[in-house]
Order: sequence, then structure tokens, then C-alpha cells
Amino acid sequence: KAGVTQTPRYLIKTRGQQVTLSCSPISGHRSVSWYQQTPGQGLQFLFEYFSETQRNKGNFPGRFSGRQFSNSRSEMNVSTLELGDSALYLCASSLQGLAGVNEQFFGPGTRLTVL
Amino acid sequence: DQQVKQNSPSLSVQEGRISILNCDYTNSMFDYFLWYKKYPAEGPTFLISISSIKDKNEDGRFTVFLNKSAKHLSLHIVPSQPGDSAVYFCAASGEDNAGNMLTFGGGTRLMVKP
Repeated sequence: KAGVTQTPRYLIKTRGQQVTLSCSPISGHRSVSWYQQTPGQGLQFLFEYFSETQRNKGNFPGRFSGRQFSNSRSEMNVSTLELGDSALYLCASSLQGLAGVNEQFFGPGTRLTVL
Repeated sequence: DQQVKQNSPSLSVQEGRISILNCDYTNSMFDYFLWYKKYPAEGPTFLISISSIKDKNEDGRFTVFLNKSAKHLSLHIVPSQPGDSAVYFCAASGEDNAGNMLTFGGGTRLMVKP
């Protein structure tokens, strides 16, 4: 079974631009979550999608958005990039909706650098 | 306000000895706890989890202990192996949110010396 895939793996953008990251979950998984990892803040939850609906949202500004398609693939978008958005963006998928029942499987991440 | 804290940023142990990684939390609504391991350039890998109704869960060399009254959990690795060298994250989820929102600690870098 293929794991969680994320594209692209590396990305360089400049301030003010926008970026779209993609995540393909494990086949059969309906929940996709996004996390941001930075040296200073650690791993922080961005949002979770389940059956094309955003179910949870972390404490990030509205510049961060996402969506999920009917095949469970998900994209996240960051508009008006800032230097502080430089981070590793991780996507995780799980079978259903409960962290206590189904552990999340993480992709390798997309390393975003904002210049 | 860090709800999940790993106070030791790094830990060094000798191969064959026990590694103990600690994690504290403040949110009493957390009812499920997980440990993840992360190598550079890879996403975190699930290791072991524990529900708040238990105080211990064991899986091979890995054991997680939960002390609810102290809001503290620990991961024991016995015996430690050089391949265990990685960053370990504890994470928690709670009944106050639906779905898969995990709150992570800052991580502990474990180095196992041959």
C-alpha cells in the first residue's frame, strides 16, 4: 500500500506570492490533516478535512486555507507569503475521524522557503 | 500557551541501556496520547499510543506510561539501539474536539551511542 505522498517536496517562493501544496492520502483514508513544523514553534496543527469538509482548524491566519476533493486528496494554499511561513508542511491521513482509534500516517512533507 | 511540553530537548544514552523520554500536558480534556518518531527529511512515524483509561501500554521494546494525576507520560525504550536515534514527539488529542487534531510537544532528540 502506498504511503502518504506530498508534492512538491521542496519549494522556494518570495514574499507576497501564494503557494499551493498537495497531499494524497493512503488509499481508503478519508481524513487529511495539515501541520506546520518550524524550529521555534514545533509541530502545529493547521486544519483537518474529512469527507470534503473542514472539521477542525488551528490557530492560523486566514491566509492559510485548504480543501479536500472527493477522492480525499487535499490541497493547502498560503496567500501573501511572509518570511515566517518558511517551514516544513506535513500532511497526515487516517482511516476515519478519531485520533484515539486510528493513528495518523504522515507524509514526508513539503519544505517551503520564503525569500 | 504550550499544552504539551517535552522539557528535555535532547537525550544521550548508551546502546543497550534504557531511554526514558518525558512529556507533560496541561489540558485535562486530553484523553489519548501518542508517541511519534521522526528522522530528518521524513514525516513522523507512529510508535505507540495510550488511552487515558490505561496507565501502561507495551509494544516490543517500547512502553508508554501515563500518570493522569500528574498529567505526565513517559516513553521507555529498552534496550536502546543506535537506530533509535531520532527526534521523538509526544502528542495528545482530546474529547473537546472532533476528529484528528493533535497537539504536539516540542520534541526530544535521542542519541543512542554504540
